[in-house]
Amino acid sequence: ELKVEQNPLFLSMQEGKNYTIYCNYSTTSDRLYWYRQDPGKSLESLFVLLSNGAVKQEGRLMASLDTKARLSTLHITAAVHDLSATYFCAVTHTGNQFYFGTGTSLTVIP
Amino acid sequence: DSGVTQTPKHLITATGQRVTLRCSPRSGDLSVYWYQQSLDQGLQFLIQYYNGEERAKGNILERFSAQQFPDLHSELNLSSLELGDSALYFCASSVSPGLSYEQYFGPGTRLTVT
Repeated sequence: ELKVEQNPLFLSMQEGKNYTIYCNYSTTSDRLYWYRQDPGKSLESLFVLLSNGAVKQEGRLMASLDTKARLSTLHITAAVHDLSATYFCAVTHTGNQFYFGTGTSLTVIP
Repeated sequence: DSGVTQTPKHLITATGQRVTLRCSPRSGDLSVYWYQQSLDQGLQFLIQYYNGEERAKGNILERFSAQQFPDLHSELNLSSLELGDSALYFCASSVSPGLSYEQYFGPGTRLTVT
């Protein structure tokens, strides 16, 4: 079974700082997703990465994919409080089976 | 608001019972996905339908079944419920796996089995 590991599991960072969340997966994947979940809420799709070297940016978040290393990163630039949430990566394998990481709980401290 | 609706929002039932969760996708979306989120198991993909047909299957128990109807709404049936089935159940929809991979999630149904 495909394994997806995220680290760190918990991240507390000060406003204005930069940090990176890592997502490793164990076997070849078709595509990689990043999601955001606010406490008590549903998931919001952030990025879909389809190919090696793909990079996508939205505001202070930038996601990249290295399929050879089986690694995706979610980089946070100059964090603000509104980014506090849990971030999940997920990969698909053999078509449309989704495998999720454990999530990274991000707290941005003023 | 993602445009995906789920009913009911909350459901409390007893072990051994059967429940049905309903999902209406965004207008124009042909694909529906079901997910389970619990503290023990995290987020798990259950099943996907595309235009009425099963497209992919994940960690869905034999006690669970789903279908997508001609009007594209979907139902997830959970039977012989156990305490461990208590979880948040999300559905998501997308236009089509080949055209857009972005998924839009519903607000979820919180199931509590007592």
